[in-house]
Amino acid sequence: GQNIDQPTEMTATEGAIVQINCTYQTSGFNGLFWYQQHAGEAPTFLSYNVLDGLEEKGRFSSFLSRSKGYSYLLLKELQMKDSASYLCAVMDSNYQLIWGAGTKLIIKP
Amino acid sequence: GAVVSQHPSRVICKSGTSVKIECRSLDFQATTMFWYRQFPKKSLMLMATSNEGSKATYEQGVEKDKFLINHASLTLSTLTVTSAHPEDSSFYICSARDHGDTGELFFGEGSRLTVL
Repeated sequence: GQNIDQPTEMTATEGAIVQINCTYQTSGFNGLFWYQQHAGEAPTFLSYNVLDGLEEKGRFSSFLSRSKGYSYLLLKELQMKDSASYLCAVMDSNYQLIWGAGTKLIIKP
Repeated sequence: GAVVSQHPSRVICKSGTSVKIECRSLDFQATTMFWYRQFPKKSLMLMATSNEGSKATYEQGVEKDKFLINHASLTLSTLTVTSAHPEDSSFYICSARDHGDTGELFFGEGSRLTVL
């Protein structure tokens, strides 16, 4: 079966760095997405990785290892507004997105 | 970036009535749109894939006659919840993909449906 695993909840301190991991087992692979979702709102796109390596975009970076079925989202210089759920999603061989349950990130002052 | 607009953002209706939710791609053509349902503290559940000019493809367990999807043009897809019941209360989200199958997926703002 297809499966996306990510931690349910994480807590970090304002100004610090946090890494949210995602492991996956899917039928084929056509890229991995990270989305941010604030409570009561729709998800917003953060990153897309299809090749191995690190993609940096401002305070956010995303890493992919296809051989390990593993990705992480790295958030630097955390701000209170970064408190949200972070969703990992993998596009399978049929170009359908398989979603993880999301990681709720709590930022403390 | 591409924008997907969803309307209405909130709707409250009586049990037994039907509710229509619109999803529009504002600055790109979307041959495929996706409809999701999200329960509190849970991930997105894909309900159906809406294809322009053809019938929608529903996921297993989703009632086709209850959740009617129409994709009449390259920029508009609609979801109609027919004979709504309280258990249909949820957050419904649409998305559309820009630049073909491997492009970025853009989400609408979501529609919160409350059935009394």
